[in-house]
Amino acid sequence: ETGVTQSPTHLIKTRGQQVTLRCSSQSGHNTVSWYQQALGQGPQFIFQYYREEENGRGNFPPRFSGLQFPNYSSELNVNALELDDSALYLCASSSDLAKEQFFGPGTRLTVL
Amino acid sequence: GQQLNQSPQSMFIQEGEDVSMNCTSSSIFNTWLWYKQDPGEGPVLLIALYKAGELTSNGRLTAQFGITRKDSFLNISASIPSDVGIYFCAGYTPNDYKLSFGAGTTVTVRA
Repeated sequence: ETGVTQSPTHLIKTRGQQVTLRCSSQSGHNTVSWYQQALGQGPQFIFQYYREEENGRGNFPPRFSGLQFPNYSSELNVNALELDDSALYLCASSSDLAKEQFFGPGTRLTVL
Repeated sequence: GQQLNQSPQSMFIQEGEDVSMNCTSSSIFNTWLWYKQDPGEGPVLLIALYKAGELTSNGRLTAQFGITRKDSFLNISASIPSDVGIYFCAGYTPNDYKLSFGAGTTVTVRA
């Protein structure tokens, strides 16, 4: 059974650019959640996708958007990057809503 | 998400010691999850708890779902160097599918 995978591992962008991060969910999982983790803090919920529909959103501006595909993989898109967007972005999948979430290794985004 | 308060914020362990940490909230939770995160990696699920009063073990780790449903505890027995890392509690409140996280407890080996 393949776990949650994320790509790329690291990314460096400049202010104002756009970025797309990708996540493949664990086999059999239909729910994907995205988190932003700043250094020294716990993961902050960005949004969740359930069966290809957005199912809840945290306190993040609209320039953070996402998609979930029919195979339940997912993308996180961030437009107009700001310096404060520098963080570890984590994706987690679960077999259904309100179940245990299994995390990928994360994508480290640096905005210069 | 709901506010989760984890304590202690950090702790130093000596090999062989038993250590404890906890997580509290003003809200009722119906699921508690405990994760460990190593530097630069994603959190790894250690233990999941679903019922008030539940006590669950995973090797040297034991976690409990508090009877009030507003707290949870994690104990590590006979600690070893690889127990170093950041431990997070997380949970779901009733009718909410967002997983809330505590700020973490950083465990370091005492020199």
